[in-house]
Amino acid sequence: GQNIDQPTEMTATEGAIVQINCTYQTSGFNGLFWYQQHAGEAPTFLSYNVLDGLEEKGRFSSFLSRSKGYSYLLLKELQMKDSASYLCADMDSNYQLIWGAGTKLIIKP
Amino acid sequence: ETGVTQTPRHLVMGMTNKKSLKCEQHLGHNAMYWYKQSAKKPLELMFVYNFKEQTENNSVPSRFSPECPNSSHLFLHLHTLQPEDSALYLCASSQDGEASPLHFGNGTRLTVT
Repeated sequence: GQNIDQPTEMTATEGAIVQINCTYQTSGFNGLFWYQQHAGEAPTFLSYNVLDGLEEKGRFSSFLSRSKGYSYLLLKELQMKDSASYLCADMDSNYQLIWGAGTKLIIKP
Repeated sequence: ETGVTQTPRHLVMGMTNKKSLKCEQHLGHNAMYWYKQSAKKPLELMFVYNFKEQTENNSVPSRFSPECPNSSHLFLHLHTLQPEDSALYLCASSQDGEASPLHFGNGTRLTVT
C-alpha cells in the first residue's frame, strides 16, 4: 500500500528547534521530499533524501531511515516566517510522488 | 516569482460554465503537472505531461480536460463541474518526469457554485 503519515499541526516558539516527523509505506522507493507552503502561496522545495542519514541546509536539516520508513525535518533557530505547512512526499518506483496531508507549523513569539 | 505562472488566481464558476486554467513555465523544464489541493488533504495528482506527451491520468473525471500545446504551456479545461470540485488547482513543472524537484505555481482558487 501507499501511505504517508505526518502530524496535522505543531506549535513551537521563536528561536527554538522543532522536528516534524513523517512515516511512509510505499511500494518501491525513489527518495523522500520536503516542501514548505505558506498560506495562499505555492509549495517550495526544501530537501530531497534518497540515502540514509542527515542532510543539512542552513537552519533546515532532513533525515532519512529507509529501513524504518521514516524521515524528519528539523528546523533550528525558528523565525516567525517559518510559520507554514510542511509537506512530506515520497517517490515510488514509478517516480510518482505520494504526498502527506501536511503539517501546519505555528510559531509563537 | 516562482518561474511557474498560473492564471487566473481566483475563479468562480457555475456548474454549467466552461472555463480554462492556464499555466506557463519559464524554467526550460520538460515535465508539467496538474494537482488538486483540498483543505487538510494530500495533494492529488491529476495529470502529467512529459515532453508534451500525457503520461499520467489518475482516474480524473472527463469534466477536466488537459491540454499541453508545448513544453512551456499547460491548460486545464473545465466544464459542467460539481461543487465538490472547488479546490486549489496547482500547476508544477520539473526538469524531467523522474526524481527532480517540482516547481509549483501559486495556483488557481476555484469555487464552483
